[in-house]
Amino acid sequence: GAGVSQSPRYKVAKRGQDVALRCDPISGHVSLFWYQQALGQGPEFLTYFQNEAQLDKSGLPSDRFFAERPEGSVSTLKIQRTQQEDSAVYLCASSARDYNEQFFGPGTRLTVL
Amino acid sequence: AQSVAQPEDQVNVAEGNPLTVKCTYSVSGNPYLFWYVQYPNRGLQFLLKYITGDNLVKGSYGFEAEFNKSQTSFHLKKPSALVSDSALYFCAVSLMNRDDKIIFGKGTRLHILP
Repeated sequence: GAGVSQSPRYKVAKRGQDVALRCDPISGHVSLFWYQQALGQGPEFLTYFQNEAQLDKSGLPSDRFFAERPEGSVSTLKIQRTQQEDSAVYLCASSARDYNEQFFGPGTRLTVL
Repeated sequence: AQSVAQPEDQVNVAEGNPLTVKCTYSVSGNPYLFWYVQYPNRGLQFLLKYITGDNLVKGSYGFEAEFNKSQTSFHLKKPSALVSDSALYFCAVSLMNRDDKIIFGKGTRLHILP
């Protein structure tokens, strides 16, 4: 596609539910990033893939957060047993290898009640 | 550790006047520097980046930014502001020559007064 797409755009979950957020990167982009943006804050890094390999997951806030990119294209961020503090916008970005300019999707706004 | 500081939460500028949005950074190597803009309910949009070379970088929508190594700054500028420039602006840094995570500042809300 022309840009990075994310689905769903909005998600409301009850505390304790599991959620899955999807990211479709720009076709051919090797690198994929997930960020979390809390209200009124800048995006904060969660995890990074190069193709299917998860090279950096240092930003994942707890073991309830899990990300995968099994075929090196679409990625899913899963949050288990959601908590209210997980409420945020989750941004996905992709970049061509060795290029470092990241293109961002519109984000998924997660609200945990 | 890498970090970015945007000292102003909000900047107000009259339409037609020049604008500056400030950014300073801290990295333990040579930086890639970026500016992104975020409009309501939309994703982050890339404005410009500094990699190497000329310290004055020109980007989208008439914006430019000046890299100052001695002051570790990368301020965003525009000679004449438009009301449509009103948005949230993020400065960001990553390590040069690595496909790496971007560290963002907290953002500066730019409000252009008609």
